[in-house]
Amino acid sequence: QQQVKQSPQSLIVQKGGISIINCAYENTAFDYFPWYQQFPGKGPALLIAIRPDVSEKKEGRFTISFNKSAKQFSLHIMDSQPGDSATYFCAASTNTNAGKSTFGDGTTLTVKP
Amino acid sequence: DARVTQTPRHKVTEMGQEVTMRCQPILGHNTVFWYRQTMMQGLELLAYFRNRAPLDDSGMPKDRFSAEMPDATLATLKIQPSEPRDSAVYFCASADTGSYGYTFGSGTRLTVV
Repeated sequence: QQQVKQSPQSLIVQKGGISIINCAYENTAFDYFPWYQQFPGKGPALLIAIRPDVSEKKEGRFTISFNKSAKQFSLHIMDSQPGDSATYFCAASTNTNAGKSTFGDGTTLTVKP
Repeated sequence: DARVTQTPRHKVTEMGQEVTMRCQPILGHNTVFWYRQTMMQGLELLAYFRNRAPLDDSGMPKDRFSAEMPDATLATLKIQPSEPRDSAVYFCASADTGSYGYTFGSGTRLTVV
């Protein structure tokens, strides 16, 4: 059962543009929504995360927007840079399962100079 | 920076051989996860432990895979006998209770020929 659906599968953005990646979830018990960034040959690294009691969280050029009623959340990368080229995973977890996360399928972002 | 250490980084083995992957979680983290990453399946949870006790290994093929935590500083994932379809990148991740976000290791790239 796919509990976290991520789109698009791949994304190409010009340098300086805005990258937007979307995720939708089904389980309303999820209470933590992290995003991970993965570079080739490396493990995923926690980038930014949000809890459902807020609608937006911003850290530098990265912003998570969260819509609890629609069960959707998205990652916005402002002023995208070639160094942001990586695979991005959304995830969701609940407090009742020891923090086990369900991951989306990933989005490969390419930022062209 | 504290990091999760995985060994070996790369492993090429023949079908039927035993493979052992090792993980040293971050000191003080009490939850350890094993994930497998393939192009087709994305990030799949194989097993996870809290305070060295297995909480869920439903993602593992039980007939050939086994996961253990002999002590708080070492987690192992064994495949016996290995098969070509086991070729993938295996990630270990650790987390602290209540922190939710994971720290991943750099992975073991396994190739079974």
